[in-house]
Amino acid sequence: DAGVTQSPTHLIKTRGQQVTLRCSPKSGHDTVSWYQQALGQGPQFIFQYYEEEERQRGNFPDRFSGHQFPNYSSELNVNALLLGDSALYLCASSLLSSFEQYFGPGTRLTVT
Amino acid sequence: AQKITQTQPGMFVQEKEAVTLDCTYDTSDPSYGLFWYKQPSSGEMIFLIYQGSYDQQNATEGRYSLNFQKARKSANLVISASQLGDSAMYFCAMRDTQETGGFKTIFGAGTRLFVKA
Repeated sequence: DAGVTQSPTHLIKTRGQQVTLRCSPKSGHDTVSWYQQALGQGPQFIFQYYEEEERQRGNFPDRFSGHQFPNYSSELNVNALLLGDSALYLCASSLLSSFEQYFGPGTRLTVT
Repeated sequence: AQKITQTQPGMFVQEKEAVTLDCTYDTSDPSYGLFWYKQPSSGEMIFLIYQGSYDQQNATEGRYSLNFQKARKSANLVISASQLGDSAMYFCAMRDTQETGGFKTIFGAGTRLFVKA
């Protein structure tokens, strides 16, 4: 049984560009959450998707948007990239009703 | 606002000894969940242990135990018989369940644990 998978593993973009990160949840999970983890810090909650809708959102600007597909996979889109967007982006999946949350390996985004 | 505080940026422990990683939290919600995660240098977050706010007993998972003191709003992680492979970042986190049924997980700044041979 595959766990949470994320792609790509690493990504280098230029300031002002747009990026799309992808996440496939653990089999049977219906909820996907995205986090941004800057170097040396704890993860910060970006948003959460359930039933293809954004259910919760953290303190991130509208440049950060997402989508959840009928198969529960999810995308994180970031527009107009800033140098400060350089971070490890973690995806986590769960059942909405369960406390267990499984994290993927992350996508390391570098903005130059 | 909910907050997680980890005051130990780094900790050293001798192999085979026990170590306690501190975590305090702040919330006005009566129902919440507390978590500890391990993050090796590879970056993946590994779930270690969970404590619900209404759980009467402290949670234990193998060598990990959570010392939950509700009145003091603390949720310290105790690792017994430390192993070299325990060297990693450790994050305390709290789940905030929203009225919409969704939830947010708030993380502390983390404690880096170094296990010495």
